[in-house]
Amino acid sequence: EAQVTQNPRYLITVTGKKLTVTCSQNMNHEYMSWYRQDPGLGLRQIYYSMNVEVTDKGDVPEGYKVSRKEKRNFPLILESPSPNQTSLYFCASSFGTSGRNEQFFGPGTRLTVL
Amino acid sequence: GEDVEQSLFLSVREGDSSVINCTYTDSSSTYLYWYKQEPGAGLQLLTYIFSNMDMKQDQRLTVLLNKKDKHLSLRIADTQTGDSAIYFCAEFVESGANNLFFGTGTRLTVIP
Repeated sequence: EAQVTQNPRYLITVTGKKLTVTCSQNMNHEYMSWYRQDPGLGLRQIYYSMNVEVTDKGDVPEGYKVSRKEKRNFPLILESPSPNQTSLYFCASSFGTSGRNEQFFGPGTRLTVL
Repeated sequence: GEDVEQSLFLSVREGDSSVINCTYTDSSSTYLYWYKQEPGAGLQLLTYIFSNMDMKQDQRLTVLLNKKDKHLSLRIADTQTGDSAIYFCAEFVESGANNLFFGTGTRLTVIP
């Protein structure tokens, strides 16, 4: 089944404790991205990657890192999480960046930073 | 990023039509999308419209685009309880790779 998977789905952590949220897609998509969803703000893009070893900042990159060592994986790293990073995170992928390319979303990771 | 605005909440009775509205700011957007997010799930693409169209119909869904006013709407006919979800509009702007901008989402509640 074609899908985007994220792990973990739920995470409660404390300020300053490094964490990684994994994202994997099995559709051979070139483009992957991370969003955060906050009430009243919709989805805001954190980072995106157009291909292996190519990553770039989205609208809200502060406090996050990503890597794209393989095509299928795009982990999101929070080196020193803070409470303002409590949010719902989505990974997405698509074949390319043309508007015709549908973005497929993962199920989301709900992160709480105490 | 671009400004994409939606009202936050909408309630309708089962069987009525729902109309969810969206306004956007970038006149160079080429595609406009509607995504549906059910509770506890990711976003699923419902439908999209190319910017040179003014209407698209897909079963119970009708998308209307007023490019002059930069206004997009999604009409759901015969709304069912399974349509209860958050609906996001998004605009695609050809300006590099960071080019899909989402609205705030409208939470549709269908009352039985």
